[in-house]
Amino acid sequence: GNSVTQMEGPVTLSEEAFLTINCTYTATGYPSLFWYVQYPGEGLQLLLKATKADDKGSNKGFEATYRKETTSFHLEKGSGQVSDSAVYFCALSARNTGGFKTIFGAGTRLFVKA
Amino acid sequence: NAGVTQTPKFQVLKTGQSMTLQCAQDMNHEYMSWYRQDPGMGLRLIHYSVGAGITDQGEVPNGYNVSRSTTEDFPLRLLSAAPSQTSVYFCASSYSTPVGEQYFGPGTRLTVT
Repeated sequence: GNSVTQMEGPVTLSEEAFLTINCTYTATGYPSLFWYVQYPGEGLQLLLKATKADDKGSNKGFEATYRKETTSFHLEKGSGQVSDSAVYFCALSARNTGGFKTIFGAGTRLFVKA
Repeated sequence: NAGVTQTPKFQVLKTGQSMTLQCAQDMNHEYMSWYRQDPGMGLRLIHYSVGAGITDQGEVPNGYNVSRSTTEDFPLRLLSAAPSQTSVYFCASSYSTPVGEQYFGPGTRLTVT
């Protein structure tokens, strides 16, 4: 079946360091891929998405490229900020038995230190 | 727009009690879903609905019931609460199929003692 695997956290970085959170997926067909972010005490909110191979999603300085050949959708940011500290979820949406379903990874907690 | 709203924000139940978690959205979304979030396990789909009058089971439906009598509301019922249902519950909605972006409510933190 479909699945999403993220790097385990917590990930701790210094401010202005390069930020990357790995995500790989398993899916039949052509899923849409998403990154959601969850700040403390809040629900998830969409950070970026890509709906087909080689698409690059970007938002708030974050980027992720849909790589079908490596089944990956790694999240990157050139210079992390303390305000980026949150939990990040990689997700895919694809056709499954019974219709489309969204599957989330386990989440990666990120701490960015000043 | 209020987006997706959930009540209550916090709830403590005793084993065996029942309760309903409320979820409403004002975006006229067809697709709504309930997830539970547990440490290290991400979000797991409990039930979902593709429109008023239509519901289906997700990954972890046991112990929960849903109904969708209107486009706006999608309540989640715990029939007989168990400690294993201690979790944070999120309701989400989206425009059409889950190929699109999902909008999440702020969550309900439930503790079952």
